[in-house]
Amino acid sequence: AQSVTQLGSHVSVSEGALVLLRCNYSSSVPPYLFWYVQYPNQGLQLLLKYTTGATLVKGINGFEAEFKKSETSFHLTKPSAHMSDAAEYFCAVTLYGNNRLAFGKGNQVVVIP
Amino acid sequence: DVKVTQSSRYLVKRTGEKVFLECVQDMDHENMFWYRQDPGLGLRLIYFSYDVKMKEKGDIPEGYSVSREKKERFSLILESASTNQTSMYLCASTATVNTGELFFGEGSRLTVL
Repeated sequence: AQSVTQLGSHVSVSEGALVLLRCNYSSSVPPYLFWYVQYPNQGLQLLLKYTTGATLVKGINGFEAEFKKSETSFHLTKPSAHMSDAAEYFCAVTLYGNNRLAFGKGNQVVVIP
Repeated sequence: DVKVTQSSRYLVKRTGEKVFLECVQDMDHENMFWYRQDPGLGLRLIYFSYDVKMKEKGDIPEGYSVSREKKERFSLILESASTNQTSMYLCASTATVNTGELFFGEGSRLTVL
């Protein structure tokens, strides 16, 4: 079964600094990978996704992630953190045609002024 | 825009009560999901439905049941609420062809006393 690991439940980053959230996946076949974001008191929304093709994917709000098969990773980055980036971020994995996602435990991002 | 609406944002119930959580989507999606979100545990799938009157157990179905009589509506039922079911419940939907791209409601926070 597919799974993802997100380390560090809480991540603090200074405003203007790099945001880096790590996600490692486990899958025996090529996966589909996702990052979702949850702002306070809201549901989750899709930030970006990797299915096939280009391994560097760009999402909303300046975020991007790179699929690295050799490292089984799909880390999320943003060059410069903004106060509005304070939220919880979830990595998720599935296979083509399967809508049953496996979510990581999430990273709560705090942006320090 | 896709709209997934959960009928109650906040509920307080007593142990042993029967609880209904309602979810409606307006995009004619075939697939609907109920997740439970707890701090440090991420999202855990309770039940999902890939068609009207069809349902499948997720990872933590014990103590829950579901109903899908119409395509747009997916209900989560707690037959006899217990304190360990105090949690945030998230409903989501997607079209079968959109692998992994879930649309979430804003959540229902249930407290069982």
